[in-house]
Amino acid sequence: DGGITQSPKYLFRKEGQNVTLSCEQNLNHDAMYWYRQDPGQGLRLIYYSQIVNDFQKGDIAEGYSVSREKKESFPLTVTSAQKNPTAFYLCASSTPSGRYNEQFFGPGTRLTVL
Amino acid sequence: AQSVAQPEDQVNVAEGNPLTVKCTYSVSGNPYLFWYVQYPNRGLQFLLKYITGDNLVKGSYGFEAEFNKSQTSFHLKKPSALVSDSALYFCAVRRDSGYSTLTFGKGTMLLVSP
Repeated sequence: DGGITQSPKYLFRKEGQNVTLSCEQNLNHDAMYWYRQDPGQGLRLIYYSQIVNDFQKGDIAEGYSVSREKKESFPLTVTSAQKNPTAFYLCASSTPSGRYNEQFFGPGTRLTVL
Repeated sequence: AQSVAQPEDQVNVAEGNPLTVKCTYSVSGNPYLFWYVQYPNRGLQFLLKYITGDNLVKGSYGFEAEFNKSQTSFHLKKPSALVSDSALYFCAVRRDSGYSTLTFGKGTMLLVSP
């Protein structure tokens, strides 16, 4: 899983709660990404950030928020507005200077709503 | 818009036999193509990529993939499957010009029987 860490590995949320998923990388990568994985649906992009203090919505950003205050960190908050948050969340990073560069993935966080 | 199709949800193969996992894509312009593998409850691991040049790309763990522009395909292959190859495989694409995010297929589960 390279130099990307995600915590916690498992997270349980009650209805109406906001929760924050951590993603840290020591690869000196500029770009970072958050994906959601559901069975049979592949990976869907939630948010991405190409540089510090800048980020863009992906395909399914509703109910999520992010920040990018440091190059190494890209936390994802799952808000109470996200109606079906139970999923496996993956963080990734890459160097954006070359579009042909592969993304490196963290080990993931499994979020379950109780 | 760009898209990836992995037409098989699951591929079954006996150990020692050759394996193929299919992927077709749609993108405006020329593609950058990637294959990733995911083991249970883990992040994705990069296997190989096609950028330009030789249509046959060799990657990690004995895998290779063949780029076919006329058929818009990028099938993953291995001459002799191992039980340890059993995992979920994702194909992904982005266009080679401008900035675009990576689009993933829905994944194909490969099961190698002893």
